[in-house]
Amino acid sequence: DTGVSQNPRHKITKRGQNVTFRCDPISEHNRLYWYRQTLGQGPEFLTYFQNEAQLEKSRLLSDRFSAERPKGSFSTLEIQRTEQGDSAMYLCASSLAGGRADTQYFGPGTRLTVL
Amino acid sequence: GNSVTQMEGPVTLSEEAFLTINCTYTATGYPSLFWYVQYPGEGLQLLLKATKADDKGSNKGFEATYRKETTSFHLEKGSVQVSDSAVYFCALTRMDTGRRALTFGSGTRLQVQP
Repeated sequence: DTGVSQNPRHKITKRGQNVTFRCDPISEHNRLYWYRQTLGQGPEFLTYFQNEAQLEKSRLLSDRFSAERPKGSFSTLEIQRTEQGDSAMYLCASSLAGGRADTQYFGPGTRLTVL
Repeated sequence: GNSVTQMEGPVTLSEEAFLTINCTYTATGYPSLFWYVQYPGEGLQLLLKATKADDKGSNKGFEATYRKETTSFHLEKGSVQVSDSAVYFCALTRMDTGRRALTFGSGTRLQVQP
């Protein structure tokens, strides 16, 4: 079990640039989630996939944000035309469907700094 | 909508002291409740969970009981160690509606002094 991995771990970009993050879930997990965490706050839900289907999206996910999971394995989160307010830790989690509370396992996160 | 409220930190305790971190929630229906822990420099880890009223989750000496009548899920440990120093997050999800998103509280930082 290698756990959830995220790349890159840190990203510094200038305002207006596009950035893309990658998440590799635990291999047998069919659900994948993206969250955003700002300093001193708990994570906030962005979106969720079951296999390749994007089933739930938060209002936080503006038009500048897009997430994909093309083959139901890894996922990418792209932010276009970054703004300073996008600076945050972006967390990915995965889970295996089943039971009343499928546990979400989190990756280490990608810290984005927008200058 | 759903929300989670945690006591503000930091909570500073001496080693072997008793720990309580309060968590209350607002949600309709039957949420599932979780405690996650974030150690310095590490990712979020599930500490314990409870899926129905009166369930007790436990792990590593930590316990929390799902109290529907008081909408609470307080975290307790009888004797804390320096290694328990971390940020603790209470969270819920509405599995009964098919929604999978976790709603987190703002976190409580615990500092344990030797």
